[in-house]
Amino acid sequence: EVQLVESGGGLVQPGGSLRLSCAASGFTFSTYAMHWVRQAPGKGLEYVSAISSNGGSTYYANSVKGRFTISRDNSKNTLYLQMGSLRAADMAVYYCARGGIAVAVPFDYWGQGTLVTVSS
Amino acid sequence: SYVLTQPPSVSVAPGKTARITCGGNNIGSKSVHWYQQKPGQAPVLVVYDDSDRPSGIPERFSGSNSGNTATLTMSRVEAGDEADYYCQVWDSSSDHWVFGGGTKLTVL
Repeated sequence: EVQLVESGGGLVQPGGSLRLSCAASGFTFSTYAMHWVRQAPGKGLEYVSAISSNGGSTYYANSVKGRFTISRDNSKNTLYLQMGSLRAADMAVYYCARGGIAVAVPFDYWGQGTLVTVSS
Repeated sequence: SYVLTQPPSVSVAPGKTARITCGGNNIGSKSVHWYQQKPGQAPVLVVYDDSDRPSGIPERFSGSNSGNTATLTMSRVEAGDEADYYCQVWDSSSDHWVFGGGTKLTVL
């Protein structure tokens, strides 16, 4: 059974940093592109970042480029999102999602999300 | 950047057909994917590549895409279909995924 479990969310002050993790199981993690998508309270889905299966290619929404870094450790079946210079607008539930062999393949499995709260 | 436009809400009576549109410039040239999200839950892929269904998704869910509009159609709507629905495309010009703003489906 495919499982994606996010962790690392919490309360952080504006300007602070946080690292999210997504532990994957039930599939060959190293052969899938992975993604982060966020959802602000009461709002719609927003693509955040994507990474190719081998980690060689990364993609970022303009709203987070230069502040967030996506990475993966295929030996640990884990996806990461390092978030810096956090703003109130970054407050959201962050989901990790499984893509396909290519980054441009839709997301067939999602985690349950981890909440990031940015507040002083 | 590429923009997808969805109606904020659609209402339908049980047993009837609901249609949710997703507008975008020449969207017919792209592959459109649709997600269902119920309150407090993660999104679920219900249609991919315009009209294909993942395993486990009822045949009542179908999709089409042409010109500047893609459509998610749900026939014989049930109370359990009440959810938010999002369209999605890959914008190859910017190498970004793009989501529509979402449509809240209400079953009357």
